[in-house]
Amino acid sequence: GDSVTQMEGPVTLSEEAFLTINCTYTATGYPSLFWYVQYPGEGLQLLLKATKADDKGSNKGFEATYRKETTSFHLEKGSVQVSDSAVYFCALLFSGGYNKLIFGAGTRLAVHP
Amino acid sequence: DAGVIQSPRHEVTEMGQEVTLRCKPISGHNSLFWYRQTMMRGLELLIYFNNNVPIDDSGMPEDRFSAKMPNASFSTLKIQPSEPRDSAVYFCASSYQDRLNTEAFFGQGTRLTVV
Repeated sequence: GDSVTQMEGPVTLSEEAFLTINCTYTATGYPSLFWYVQYPGEGLQLLLKATKADDKGSNKGFEATYRKETTSFHLEKGSVQVSDSAVYFCALLFSGGYNKLIFGAGTRLAVHP
Repeated sequence: DAGVIQSPRHEVTEMGQEVTLRCKPISGHNSLFWYRQTMMRGLELLIYFNNNVPIDDSGMPEDRFSAKMPNASFSTLKIQPSEPRDSAVYFCASSYQDRLNTEAFFGQGTRLTVV
């Protein structure tokens, strides 16, 4: 079945470091891909999305490119801030009649000054 | 719009008691999802509705769990009887879905503790 695999955390970085969080997926057809972020004590918020191959989603300095050939959607940011500390979830949405949103396990990011 | 509203925010109950979690989706949305989040299993999809009809409940852990959506503006997730292993954060999310894939909006969650 459809699934999402993320790199395990926690990821610990110093402020202004480069961030990569890997995400790969397994799906039939052509899903849309998302990154959600969860700040402490809150629900998930959409960070960025891409709906077709080679699309690049971007928001708040974060980017991810939909790579169909490698079935990947890695999240990157050139210079992280302490305020980026959160849990990041990769997700896919496959429109197989009724849309179903499937999440990866989440990756906790801790950024230190 | 106030977003997805869940209640209560926190619930502490004794093992064996019935627990009801509530969700008000965003007005106009036609899909509603219930998720459970734990450290061990991450974010699990329990059930989702489309136009108030349950579409996939394969994630519901067992018969103690049930979910209803009597109308477009309200859904409940009930656990009866509750057990300590049900302790988790339960999220409700809603979205408007047609042939184009759209994002889901999440509530702030209900933290359930069963003692």
